[in-house]
Amino acid sequence: IVLTQSPGTLSLSPGERATLSCRASQSVSSRYLAWYQQQPGQAPRLLIFGASNRATGIPDRFSGSGSGTDFTLTINSLEPEDFAVYYCQQYGNSPVTFGQGTKLEIK
Amino acid sequence: QLQLQESGSRLVRPSQTLSLTCVVSGASISNGGYSWNWIRQPPGRGLEWIGYIYHSGNIYYSPSLKSRVAISVERSKNQFSLNLTSVTAADTAVYYCARGVTNPYNNNWYIDNWGQGTLVIVSS
Repeated sequence: IVLTQSPGTLSLSPGERATLSCRASQSVSSRYLAWYQQQPGQAPRLLIFGASNRATGIPDRFSGSGSGTDFTLTINSLEPEDFAVYYCQQYGNSPVTFGQGTKLEIK
Repeated sequence: QLQLQESGSRLVRPSQTLSLTCVVSGASISNGGYSWNWIRQPPGRGLEWIGYIYHSGNIYYSPSLKSRVAISVERSKNQFSLNLTSVTAADTAVYYCARGVTNPYNNNWYIDNWGQGTLVIVSS
């Protein structure tokens, strides 16, 4: 499954809402989709699994939704530390695949 | 608290073998439900899965790297290792070890814990 993330770069200001898209080339089985955040020079961090389940310690301003081929990561009221690169990953079909990433930058 | 720490050669000559080890603390690699993965990220690019060893000892590799990869485990030391043979400049990347929450029905996973990563450069 090929995952296409859009936009490639999203420019927003702190306090705004971010909407990141992840589109799959075919249906993702059982909503097995995860989202990760990666800060420069750091390892990725799990945000969401199962399309909509927040990982331990993730603030509730992060939410995931979607099914089938269309998934969304929403970040409400952006904090300065939210500006990073975000990756989606599907694990419903073999092989596991990642999207190419969306860079969320400060406007 | 689970921690994963990569170690190994940081500079590898072309055509040689890249070798890395991941020491796991805070959890046993024999715990059920988890896979122990290697994932890499070329500079400025996205994430690429290399392979994993399951808690049961089963091993799975990326089809694109399968002919050059070997993953092994040393349970007494709670660590697992990666060997990648015949490297080229295209293998230059940050290499991460990571724990996968693994579905036993399809052997697929998402990562809930990552090592800090180690940059390996392939150059003569």
